[in-house]
This record gives sequence, structure tokens and C-alpha cells, in this order.
Amino acid sequence: DGGITQSPKYLFRKEGQNVTLSCEQNLNHDAMYWYRQDPGQGLRLIYYSQIVNDFQKGDIAEGYSVSREKKESFPLTVTSAQKNPTAFYLCASSTRGGLNGELFFGEGSRLTVL
Amino acid sequence: DAKTTQPPSMDCAEGRAANLPCNHSTISGNEYVYWYRQIHSQGPQYIIHGLKNNETNEMASLIITEDRKSSTLILPHATLRDTAVYYCIVRVKSNFGNEKLTFGTGTRLTIIP
Repeated sequence: DGGITQSPKYLFRKEGQNVTLSCEQNLNHDAMYWYRQDPGQGLRLIYYSQIVNDFQKGDIAEGYSVSREKKESFPLTVTSAQKNPTAFYLCASSTRGGLNGELFFGEGSRLTVL
Repeated sequence: DAKTTQPPSMDCAEGRAANLPCNHSTISGNEYVYWYRQIHSQGPQYIIHGLKNNETNEMASLIITEDRKSSTLILPHATLRDTAVYYCIVRVKSNFGNEKLTFGTGTRLTIIP
């Protein structure tokens, strides 16, 4: 079935460690996105990519990095520079034209920093 | 993109219609209304969108007022699985992607057995 797969679903990290969250899609979408969600809050955009080998900062990019070497993959690295990394991370994709405005989301990755 | 205002929470009895309001009084003529929902600890799911005409699909109906300053999402026969946070979003349809989709805190809908 077509969709977006995020892994791992749960992740624990010690302070000072970098961690990479995986996001893979087989929907043939050009655009991919990473959001962060804190308890009781909405989603905030971290990074997005509209095409392979290109990506843009969202509203809260500090302390995060991404790459887009393949169309189907958009991994997010949470670096030690991120001051408060414990959160629920969501990856999404859409057609580049985005004419329907429909984002397809993965199931999320919950990161806890110990 | 125009801002939206939604009640923080609502209850609805199972089997009844759930009507979720959204105010977007500053909406521009080229901005669409989108609805998503997020079941606990899952990714949001697209429900429906519209410009000015009422829209219906297999999940819900969207009623937009004539002045477009508010809208209502209707779940015609709510079930327990409809318990979720519902987000109303207003944005311009873009040829360049969906990076301007802003998810606020939404309405937490609880379906009561």
C-alpha cells in the first residue's frame, strides 16, 4: 500500500547525542515536510523540501538538519544544539503542485531525551 | 494566510451529527478552507476542503457561509472513532507546495457513547 513510513516510532536519547529520524514515502510525491508537535499544541514546521537536493527552513529549524538525496526519503537529524528536543515528530508529503492542499502524514516518531 | 478561531473542545453523542465551527473573518477571496483531524498519537488526516460552495465527501460535509467568514464541518453520524482533534486551516492554493499550512490547536471532539 502507498503511504509514509516513519521510524522509529519511539526513541530515547541521552543529552548531547544526535539522532536521525527516518521518513520514507512511496507515493511518488515531490514535496516532503517535517513538523514538530508538543503536548496540547499544534504542529510547527521544521523543514520542507519541494524537490530532490533542495530543502528550506521552516519556522523552527534551529537545532535540526535534513537531507533530500532521494525523492522517497527525507531524514531529519535532531542535533545536540536543539535545546528541547523531546517532542512528537511528524513527516508529511504532498504533490509538488499541492493543488488539492492535501498532506499525507506518517504515524509519527516520539523522541524522549533522558 | 488568514487566521482561524475554533472552540477548544466539544462533545457529541454517538450517532448524532457533530457540527464543528470555524471562524475565519479575515479570509481572502483566493483562500480555501481545509479540515484535517488528528487521532491521538497519530499523524493528521485530510478530511475535506472548499472555496465557497458547500462540499461533501465520504467522510464529512463542509458548509461555508455566503460571506465566507465562517464554516462548519459536519460529521453526519458520529462514531467513537471520530474522537480526535479537528483542525480548520485557511490558505491559498499554491503551485509551490503546502509549506504554508499552519496547524493551530484545533477543536478536541469527544464522542460520548
